[in-house]
Amino acid sequence: DAGVIQSPRHEVTEMGQEVTLRCKPISGHDYLFWYRQTMMRGLELLIYFNNNVPIDDSGMPEDRFSAKMPNASFSTLKIQPSEPRDSAVYFCASSRDRGHTEAFFGQGTRLTVV
Amino acid sequence: DAKTTQPNSMESNEEEPVHLPCNHSTISGTDYIHWYRQLPSQGPEYVIHGLTSNVNNRMASLAIAEDRKSSTLILHRATLRDAAVYYCILRVDTGGFKTIFGAGTRLFVKA
Repeated sequence: DAGVIQSPRHEVTEMGQEVTLRCKPISGHDYLFWYRQTMMRGLELLIYFNNNVPIDDSGMPEDRFSAKMPNASFSTLKIQPSEPRDSAVYFCASSRDRGHTEAFFGQGTRLTVV
Repeated sequence: DAKTTQPNSMESNEEEPVHLPCNHSTISGTDYIHWYRQLPSQGPEYVIHGLTSNVNNRMASLAIAEDRKSSTLILHRATLRDAAVYYCILRVDTGGFKTIFGAGTRLFVKA
């Protein structure tokens, strides 16, 4: 397996534009996580899915952020409209469904909103 | 949510052992202790995990206190490539096993 695949690796956009980040989890993994990392706040859990169903979105900053998982092999994180303070590295991770299994992270998407 | 506490940074000499401590005094009985590390410009990667007993793998060892309120990640011989941020986290059973990261310990390795 190629691991967790995120696209794009880098995204530069203007304030007010819509941004869509994409993630392909490892096949067979039941859990998918979206994280955001900044220097100020470190790694923050935004939302996670179990079997394509959102379980906890309490980390999503505000209504401008939304995430979907239409099937087991694809998830998106959308920001509309984007703001400069959304600039961060966004990571997607996946794991099997037990606490004693490891989570695998993608390489991340570095988002810059100007 | 159960929380972990780690030193902000530690320093080690190359080829020497490193002991990275973590406190998790509010851990519950079903929480697994996981360690991840993040190399520069990469996503976090799994290092090791355990529940009650000490664990060894090819990367490191994990020593868990008898009361489970603390643990120590042991790198037996630090190399320059081990310079990274090390995260001690609890895999929390909230009905979904979400993983929450703390601030981590930045490990500096001197040649």
